[in-house]
Amino acid sequence: NAGVMQNPRHLVRRRGQEARLRCSPMKGHSHVYWYRQLPEEGLKFMVYLQKENIIDESGMPKERFSAEFPKEGPSILRIQQVVRGDSAAYFCASSPTRGSPEAFFGQGTRLTVV
Amino acid sequence: KNEVEQSPQNLTAQEGEFITINCSYSVGISALHWLQQHPGGGIVSLFMLSSGKKKHGRLIATINIQEKHSSLHITASHPRDSAVYICAVPNLLQGGSEKLVFGKGTKLTVNP
Repeated sequence: NAGVMQNPRHLVRRRGQEARLRCSPMKGHSHVYWYRQLPEEGLKFMVYLQKENIIDESGMPKERFSAEFPKEGPSILRIQQVVRGDSAAYFCASSPTRGSPEAFFGQGTRLTVV
Repeated sequence: KNEVEQSPQNLTAQEGEFITINCSYSVGISALHWLQQHPGGGIVSLFMLSSGKKKHGRLIATINIQEKHSSLHITASHPRDSAVYICAVPNLLQGGSEKLVFGKGTKLTVNP
C-alpha cells in the first residue's frame, strides 16, 4: 500500500510563472489536506478537500492559489503568477474518513521561486 | 482555536542521553500527533495518542489530558535521531472534519 505521493519533490519557477503541485492520497483515502511550511516557520493549514469538493479553504491566500481534487487523478494545488514569498515546502496529508484523526503525510514539494 | 506551544525550541544532546520534548495545547482534543521531520525531508508520523502512553522502540510519548500536555521522550539518543520534532493537535473545520494545528517544532541535534 503506497503512501501519500507528492510530485514533484522539488520545483523551481520564475516569478510570474505557474506552479502545479500534485498529491495522490493513500489508497482508499478520499480526504486530502494541504499544508504550507514557510522557511523557519511552522506548518500551516491551507485547504481540505474531498473528491470533487472543497470543504474548507480558510487557510488559502485569497488570490493566485486554488486547489482541486477531481473524481479521477491526484489533488492539485495551483499557484498562479508565483512570487518569491511563495517559496516554501508544501505538504499533503490524507485520511480515510471525515473526522478521522489519522494523518498520513507525503514527502512534500519544495517550491523555489527565483 | 487551539494554540500549541513546544519546548525547547532547540536541543543539543550527546549520544546516549535521555531526551524530553514538551508540548502544551489550549483546547481539549481527540488526539495528539508527534511528527518527525529530517532536514529537507518529508514528515513522518511517530505517534497519535489520545490518552496515557505509547512506546515504539526508543521513543515514548505520553499525554495528560487534564493538564493539556504531552511529552516525547527518546531513550539512548543517537545521532540519527537528529531532526525536528513537531507536535500537532486538531482544530475543528466547518465541514465537521479536523485540520491539524502545529507547534513550531523542536530542533534536536544529537552529537556523537
